[in-house]
Amino acid sequence: QVQLVQSGAEVKKPGASVKVSCKASGYTFSNYGISWVRQAPGQGLEWMGWITAYNGNTEYAQKFQGRLTMTTDTSTSTAYMELRSLRSDDTAVYYCARDISVTTPNWFDPWGQGTLVTVSS
Amino acid sequence: DIQMTQSPSSLSASVGDRVTITCRASQGIRSYLNWYQQKPGKAPKLLIYAASSSESGVPSRFSGSGSGTDFTLTISSLQPEDFATYYCQQSYSTPMFGHGTKVEIK
Repeated sequence: QVQLVQSGAEVKKPGASVKVSCKASGYTFSNYGISWVRQAPGQGLEWMGWITAYNGNTEYAQKFQGRLTMTTDTSTSTAYMELRSLRSDDTAVYYCARDISVTTPNWFDPWGQGTLVTVSS
Repeated sequence: DIQMTQSPSSLSASVGDRVTITCRASQGIRSYLNWYQQKPGKAPKLLIYAASSSESGVPSRFSGSGSGTDFTLTISSLQPEDFATYYCQQSYSTPMFGHGTKVEIK
């Protein structure tokens, strides 16, 4: 079955970087995109960006421009999300999700289990 | 950016009730509207895509409708497992989620 498995929880200090992985299985990785969505404690969903495993094209939400990088490794069917210059308000659960489209972000299904990133001094 | 306004933000309903959640876009998004269900501590799950298409395996009591700026998610007969938070998401431009509607037990 289609499955996305994310790396484990992280605790980081303000100003540090975090890199979360998302390993896909059960489908042809390069035929879909991957979107990343985060959820702060008790809050709603926030789309961060998208990458197509087809050719590595990316689209990032404006608020993360300059400190967010998404990559893929097609040899291992794994997507990565790196967020730099972390602040306390980056504390959230970060989700990866398979995106139906390889050309532009669309709808997301299924989702990974989520990775809690805690930013604290 | 296109903003998405969901209403209500929360509602209380009983098992068997018909529940309607609305989502309004700040500008026309044709049918680029998707709905997700999220239970506490779990990842969201896709219910409806392209405004009215049901994801495989989703119970038939869930349906979506609308186009342009106004959209609706309807649960025809609420079941105990449907108590959750529901989000709309537009994919016409930079993806944006609504703020969610929490469906609670009455």
